[in-house]
Amino acid sequence: DVKVTQSSRYLVKRTGEKVFLECVQDMDHENMFWYRQDPGLGLRLIYFSYDVKMKEKGDIPEGYSVSREKKERFSLILESASTNQTSMYLCASRLTGGLGAFFGQGTRLTVV
Amino acid sequence: GEDVEQSLFLSVREGDSSVINCTYTDSSSTYLYWYKQEPGAGLQLLTYIFSNMDMKQDQRLTVLLNKKDKHLSLRIADTQTGDSAIYFCAETWAGNMLTFGGGTRLMVKP
Repeated sequence: DVKVTQSSRYLVKRTGEKVFLECVQDMDHENMFWYRQDPGLGLRLIYFSYDVKMKEKGDIPEGYSVSREKKERFSLILESASTNQTSMYLCASRLTGGLGAFFGQGTRLTVV
Repeated sequence: GEDVEQSLFLSVREGDSSVINCTYTDSSSTYLYWYKQEPGAGLQLLTYIFSNMDMKQDQRLTVLLNKKDKHLSLRIADTQTGDSAIYFCAETWAGNMLTFGGGTRLMVKP
């Protein structure tokens, strides 16, 4: 079974802190994604990566950056956390041409 | 990305059938998907349908696809309280991307 693991289930950070959300997948998928999920807004794509060191902006990249130094790991970085970044963050991976995407369990981030 | 739309909420009684509807815009989608999200968890692939099919049945789940109207539905027969969750439809576009609907929260009353 594909496993996508996010480093934390719950995080509480202070405004202005630098925050790292880590995601690791074990199925050698080329593509990895970061989404944010907010009530009534569904899943919105922040960034995705189709290969090591490659990244593309999604629909809402402002305030975020990403890093993909190894194929299995995709990190989401909040350079200076703000309260409007309080949300559920979901990581996913996908094989190019494969069936669907596999999701991590989510990280609920609260910025106070 | 493309637009995928779903109604926000559905309430049914235990034992009834549930029908969750979705409209999408990308006519070139190869696969369309239904994901389930239980409280506090990530999304889990529930079922999918290939774009050249009209219907797919998998135990209590029936997926119907109307390509002409770009309409996808998920029917859950004999709905149970364990089916209470948020259901997302999704389509592929640009070969590699997935676009999700806003999710339909299904509440099953005993």
